[in-house]
Amino acid sequence: DTEVTQTPKHLVMGMTNKKSLKCEQHMGHRAMYWYKQKAKKPPELMFVYSYEKLSINESVPSRFSPECPNSSLLNLHLHALQPEDSALYLCASSQGQGATAVDTQYFGPGTRLTVL
Amino acid sequence: QKEVEQNSGPLSVPEGAIASLNCTYSDRGSQSFFWYRQYSGKSPELIMSIYSNGDKEDGRFTAQLNKASQYVSLLIRDSQPSDSATYLCAPGGGKLIFGTGTRLQVFP
Repeated sequence: DTEVTQTPKHLVMGMTNKKSLKCEQHMGHRAMYWYKQKAKKPPELMFVYSYEKLSINESVPSRFSPECPNSSLLNLHLHALQPEDSALYLCASSQGQGATAVDTQYFGPGTRLTVL
Repeated sequence: QKEVEQNSGPLSVPEGAIASLNCTYSDRGSQSFFWYRQYSGKSPELIMSIYSNGDKEDGRFTAQLNKASQYVSLLIRDSQPSDSATYLCAPGGGKLIFGTGTRLQVFP
């Protein structure tokens, strides 16, 4: 089973709202990722958690705050977002072998975020 | 920083033909490559991974890797309209840096 789940599927929020995106996997993977994808562009990496510790932050604005409560869960807390943050937010997980060739990432279905 | 280049397309092929998708990369240290398929509005789905020079076949899909030329390709035989999607190439190694993707259109 290579399933990564994400909730909610769609989210509409105002610029003053606080919301959270949730990602879950039960494959025993130890690395989890957040990507942002704008229309007609490839996914862009935001954060990487490895063994529940933040290992990569791709200079993401502080209005995006990731959290990894345990090895199966990954959250993305959103606060004071801008309309240009509207995008598809993708979560992925992998075994967590880092730079080794076999570390394959599996993606969840994504959350479509609209910021008004 | 890994850089990956793909022709954005669209690549249009008739049903039943072979579709050839190409990807070049700049990091000579890249050891593995992944091809993902992404339907419009959906998330990327893994199609193939390849680690060694040469060809790797899986059903109608064949990935080809040439590390000396820093080139990786994906061939889709007997293309079907359901193959119409964007195909993303990415070198492996922790951080996936995707190419821009090639949009494939298979017409009946």
